[in-house]
Amino acid sequence: SQQGEEDPQALSIQEGENATMNCSYKTSINNLQWYRQNSGRGLVHLILIRSNEREKHSGRLRVTLDTSKKSSSLLITASRAADTASYFCATARSGGSNYKLTFGKGTLLTVNP
Amino acid sequence: DADVTQTPRNRITKTGKRIMLECSQTKGHDRMYWYRQDPGLGLRLIYYSFDVKDINKGEISDGYSVSRQAQAKFSLSLESAIPNQTALYFCATSDLQLGVTDTQYFGPGTRLTVL
Repeated sequence: SQQGEEDPQALSIQEGENATMNCSYKTSINNLQWYRQNSGRGLVHLILIRSNEREKHSGRLRVTLDTSKKSSSLLITASRAADTASYFCATARSGGSNYKLTFGKGTLLTVNP
Repeated sequence: DADVTQTPRNRITKTGKRIMLECSQTKGHDRMYWYRQDPGLGLRLIYYSFDVKDINKGEISDGYSVSRQAQAKFSLSLESAIPNQTALYFCATSDLQLGVTDTQYFGPGTRLTVL
């Protein structure tokens, strides 16, 4: 079963606007990661946030993690047409299942020029 | 050159045929993974390997087998392909840090169609 669930499933915005995507998960985690996938291509790692962190930045990306609510958000500021892609959250569970990531179903972001 | 490569990139085959998808990496990582991606279902783990002698089933291993020929090579086989195995297949690698799986690096994918 999927550990992470992204919301919304699809998001369409204009260039220059900010895009926010959310991820909810079910079990305790060691870290949560966000990946981007351009259409039909391999996933590319964007950012990792550990369970003892609350916020992390990388360029135009800002990720927050709320372990009490089992949720994370990815904010892309000043979006560009090139940001058009699917975005996936992936969780690494704490405890005995830390050998793999579990991916959500993704949010399809479309940035219109 | 890409760090994680997959061959073939596209393959069309018929029901009942045996198919092998290959993955090679130059990142020097011990851990390798095979996923399949279906529209609306995200990525699902088929098999993973911690090292050459350690291979484990993922959540959807039925109908698949794997071989870890070397640290850098991990192959996925479909013994007798069926149409519902039509999907996009990804290989990935990761390095073990502090006992927890960290960043995974993905290959470009193999688009497999089973007629």
